[in-house]
Amino acid sequence: SAVISQKPSRDICQRGTSLTIQCQVDSQVTMMFWYRQQPGQSLTLIATANQGSEATYESGFVIDKFPISRPNLTFSTLTVSNLSPEDSSIYLCSVGKGLTQETQYFGPGTRLLVL
Amino acid sequence: SQQGEEDPQALSIQEGENATMNCSYKTSINNLQWYRQNSGRGLVHLILIRSNEREKHSGRLRVTLDTSKKSSSLLITASRAADTASYFCATDVGSGSRLTFGEGTQLTVNP
Repeated sequence: SAVISQKPSRDICQRGTSLTIQCQVDSQVTMMFWYRQQPGQSLTLIATANQGSEATYESGFVIDKFPISRPNLTFSTLTVSNLSPEDSSIYLCSVGKGLTQETQYFGPGTRLLVL
Repeated sequence: SQQGEEDPQALSIQEGENATMNCSYKTSINNLQWYRQNSGRGLVHLILIRSNEREKHSGRLRVTLDTSKKSSSLLITASRAADTASYFCATDVGSGSRLTFGEGTQLTVNP
């Protein structure tokens, strides 16, 4: 398994500003992912954070809006830029663990409210 | 768009009863996983079933997979109030372990 922490756990931001979310894992992992969960909805994958290279973004998500860093095998950040009320969501990071790295372990999430 | 659709969207049962949730998906998969989420917090992995498996058990959980119908079910037996949560299926099509989540079922177990 993996122990994952996220900071901050929640924040209230003004529109037009940015929020950077940190994800820390207790062991080295290859696969690291960022998800968004809009109110009352399911999870949508934003991007895969790759160590040593640019993140791989899913359709509908772009680097300018969601820049991601992955400086090492235990840490990643997701920035949500130029915030609007539509960005109000829970943002979760996850890591793939196990022999085949198919099982994902999730952080507790960051709850963002944009006013 | 979401790969998976789940039904029911919400399920309310009494403690001790069994709860069954269903998941349907659209494309061929490598594996299908079930996760639980309590009150908008992080997800907890419950069980993984591979495309060549038909049934899997873990404690009070039983998962079935029918690849011909592109569907899966999660059965929780002898439910407890602590099982109250949202349950999501997620499919892995074998592309870098990226998961596509279903819409989820909100389960309420009444004491």
